[in-house]
Amino acid sequence: GNSVTQMEGPVTLSEEAFLTINCTYTATGYPSLFWYVQYPGEGLQLLLKATKADDKGSNKGFEATYRKETTSFHLEKGSVQVSDSAVYFCALSNDGGYQKVTFGIGTKLQVIP
Amino acid sequence: DGGITQSPKYLFRKEGQNVTLSCEQNLNHDAMYWYRQDPGQGLRLIYYSQIVNDFQKGDIAEGYSVSREKKESFPLTVTSAQKNPTAFYLCASSPGRAYNEQFFGPGTRLTVL
Repeated sequence: GNSVTQMEGPVTLSEEAFLTINCTYTATGYPSLFWYVQYPGEGLQLLLKATKADDKGSNKGFEATYRKETTSFHLEKGSVQVSDSAVYFCALSNDGGYQKVTFGIGTKLQVIP
Repeated sequence: DGGITQSPKYLFRKEGQNVTLSCEQNLNHDAMYWYRQDPGQGLRLIYYSQIVNDFQKGDIAEGYSVSREKKESFPLTVTSAQKNPTAFYLCASSPGRAYNEQFFGPGTRLTVL
């Protein structure tokens, strides 16, 4: 079956530090890959996505590249801000019977001034 | 504005009572979903619906029930049979085609007293 693996955290960084959150996946076929962000007490928001190998998704300074050879979709940002503090979920969607989305466990990011 | 609304944001109930959580979307999406979120466990799928008048059990359906009488609405009932109902509940929708992302509501936090 499909699965997504990411570290739970928390990841604590100082403002302006470089961020990497690793995500690896197991899936049949050729899934689409997503990063969602959840701020405290809110629902999930789509941050970025990639639909085929070597695609790079980007939004708000965050980037992730779909690497089929390593089955990875690591999230990066060059300079984090306090406002980036949130939980980040890696996810995949394949051509299962009802468009099932499989989520990782979520990684909590804390950015300190 | 198009989006997904969930109400109420906070809900309290006594043990032994059933309670219904509302989810409405005006995105004209075919598919709708209910997830449960607990600390350290990510998102777990409760029920999903691909079309009106049809729904399927997810990974943790025991103690929950749903209906899909209208395309816009997908209410979730937490019954007294659910042994540990205190959690954060998230509703989502998607166009229903493969590889698409899901769009989330703001969530309802249910606390059983």
